Amino acid sequence: IAGITQAPTSQILAAGRRMTLRCTQDMRHNAMYWYRQDLGLGLRLIHYSNTAGTTGKGEVPDGYSVSRANTDDFPLTLASAVPSQTSVYFCASSDGGGASDTQYFGPGTRLTVL
Amino acid sequence: GESVGLHLPTLSVQEGDNSIINCAYSNSASDYFIWYKQESGKGPQFIIDIRSNMDKRQGQRVTVLLNKTVKHLSLQIAATQPGDSAVYFCAENRKGSTLGRLYFGRGTQLTVWP
Repeated sequence: IAGITQAPTSQILAAGRRMTLRCTQDMRHNAMYWYRQDLGLGLRLIHYSNTAGTTGKGEVPDGYSVSRANTDDFPLTLASAVPSQTSVYFCASSDGGGASDTQYFGPGTRLTVL
Repeated sequence: GESVGLHLPTLSVQEGDNSIINCAYSNSASDYFIWYKQESGKGPQFIIDIRSNMDKRQGQRVTVLLNKTVKHLSLQIAATQPGDSAVYFCAENRKGSTLGRLYFGRGTQLTVWP
């Protein structure tokens, strides 16, 4: 069982480019999440999905979009990347979307926007 | 504002000693807490959790203590090993918040020296 996989591992991107970060889980978890991690700011929620077909905005959603066409995949898209989106991005999933469900994290994607 | 925080940003211990990592929270509505370990270049890894109806929970070499009176959470690692070197985050899942929303502290860097 792989758990959660993310791709790419790292990416350098020119400002203004479109980029999709991929996330796949094989645990059949209902809920999935995208976080960004910045030095000194910790992990911040970008978007989440409680179940396939639904998505919601987190703490820092601007400049990002997500889709949840099926249970396993939860891609994150930067429509037009800006340098402030340089960060490490983590995808996570949990069995339910409840307030007491443990979230399990992927290995992360390191994104640099120049 | 309310936040999950940590008393110390760094902690250095000798191999074989016990480690104690602290976390303070200010939201009395929080009812579920999680400790994560993050090694360099990897995603956060679940260690142990505790619900607000408990004061203590033990795992393998780890114990989490919850003091709701002073809104304090601690992670105790017994017989600390070099492989325990990592950043440790506490997270809370506040009752009534966005479903599945985790609020993370900024982390404590644990360094184990021989």
